[in-house]
Amino acid sequence: DQQVKQNSPSLSVQEGRISILNCDYTNSMFDYFLWYKKYPAEGPTFLISISSIKDKNEDGRFTVFLNKSAKHLSLHIVPSQPGDSAVYFCAASVTGNQFYFGTGTSLTVIP
Amino acid sequence: DAGVTQSPTHLIKTRGQQVTLRCSPISGHKSVSWYQQVLGQGPQFIFQYYEKEERGRGNFPDRFSARQFPNYSSELNVNALLLGDSALYLCASSLTRLAMAGELFFGEGSRLTVL
Repeated sequence: DQQVKQNSPSLSVQEGRISILNCDYTNSMFDYFLWYKKYPAEGPTFLISISSIKDKNEDGRFTVFLNKSAKHLSLHIVPSQPGDSAVYFCAASVTGNQFYFGTGTSLTVIP
Repeated sequence: DAGVTQSPTHLIKTRGQQVTLRCSPISGHKSVSWYQQVLGQGPQFIFQYYEKEERGRGNFPDRFSARQFPNYSSELNVNALLLGDSALYLCASSLTRLAMAGELFFGEGSRLTVL
């Protein structure tokens, strides 16, 4: 059973515009969420996190929003840059224990 | 500082064989987790070891086993390989057992192909 879902396998955005990546989860016990970025032939690298006590967290161009009632989180990248082209995974856990990952969204930022 | 290192980076095995994958965590990190990433899917949790003890196990058959050594490095063993075991195996380390605030650091993975 897929507890974390990313329903958009791919997304293309013009450079300078906003990229919005979405993630849904089913387990209401999840209280900690992460976004990872992955380039080919590399391991995932941490991007940004949010705990369930917040509904928004910002780090530079990256903002994560959490809607607990809808069991939905999203990652906003503004402005998008060509170097942001990668596969983005959302992950969820219960207090930082084992992480459940989505299937990923491949973002392409077009120059 | 060295990040999480995994070996080998690529390997090819045949069905029924056994494989051992190795991971060295970031210096000072005491927790090692293993994830399997099948093509087109997200990483799936296999094991977590902390202070040399198993602290978590995902939904994988008993053919999968792991251990952590006194220096906190870890090995993942898979016996009686099946075609479906072909995947990228990722090792992640963290300072504590509960990885908060993005403290989970991944290696580049070991790509296993089973023929």
